[in-house]
Amino acid sequence: GDQVKQSPSALSLQEGTNSALRCNFSIATTTVQWFLQNPRGSLMNLFYLVPGTKENGRLKSTFNSKESYSTLHIRDAQLEDSGTYFCAAEASNTDKVVFGTGTRLQVSP
Amino acid sequence: EAAVTQSPRNKVTVTGGNVTLSCRQTNSHNYMYWYRQDTGHGLRLIHYSYGAGNLQIGDVPDGYKATRTTQEDFFLLLELASPSQTSLYFCASTGSGNTLYFGEGSRLIVV
Repeated sequence: GDQVKQSPSALSLQEGTNSALRCNFSIATTTVQWFLQNPRGSLMNLFYLVPGTKENGRLKSTFNSKESYSTLHIRDAQLEDSGTYFCAAEASNTDKVVFGTGTRLQVSP
Repeated sequence: EAAVTQSPRNKVTVTGGNVTLSCRQTNSHNYMYWYRQDTGHGLRLIHYSYGAGNLQIGDVPDGYKATRTTQEDFFLLLELASPSQTSLYFCASTGSGNTLYFGEGSRLIVV
């Protein structure tokens, strides 16, 4: 719940545009993961991050542990990017993985 | 690709009923997790485990028991199901320092 705050809760994009999703953490976090839940409900891993930045195709993610946040940038949005994006934080010293409440993304033509 | 299999995929039970959700992973992962997903709450951690015989309490454990019988198998037990436990349940596994791998989910309806 409040341990991982995700924003925005919903987002509509036109194809070809760019956007950024954000997670703020109120718990000490060692690693961050980003997932996409497709319309069928399956959860697919996008990134596993220690502090730093990773890029994969049109997606780029940063984890800033000092300022307790992570971002997911989507470039040139496509229809198949539609779904719900979740970030998840691995809490220090517990091995709990705590999820945000998700960002529902709709990409339209 | 890591494989996590959940069963049943869909279940309807009555209030007070007894339900067992099963999860099996075949990737020699040490860590296994049970989450429930509800609109407006994202995924909330119920129980998790470091290995066979180990059980850790998650963030929403009330009304749930869990048991890790082997490295591969993690069970979620609802001994007196209530309508508030109607939800989509996900199992996940991971090795140390790796991403979570999720099963396809088990949808439970308690009437």
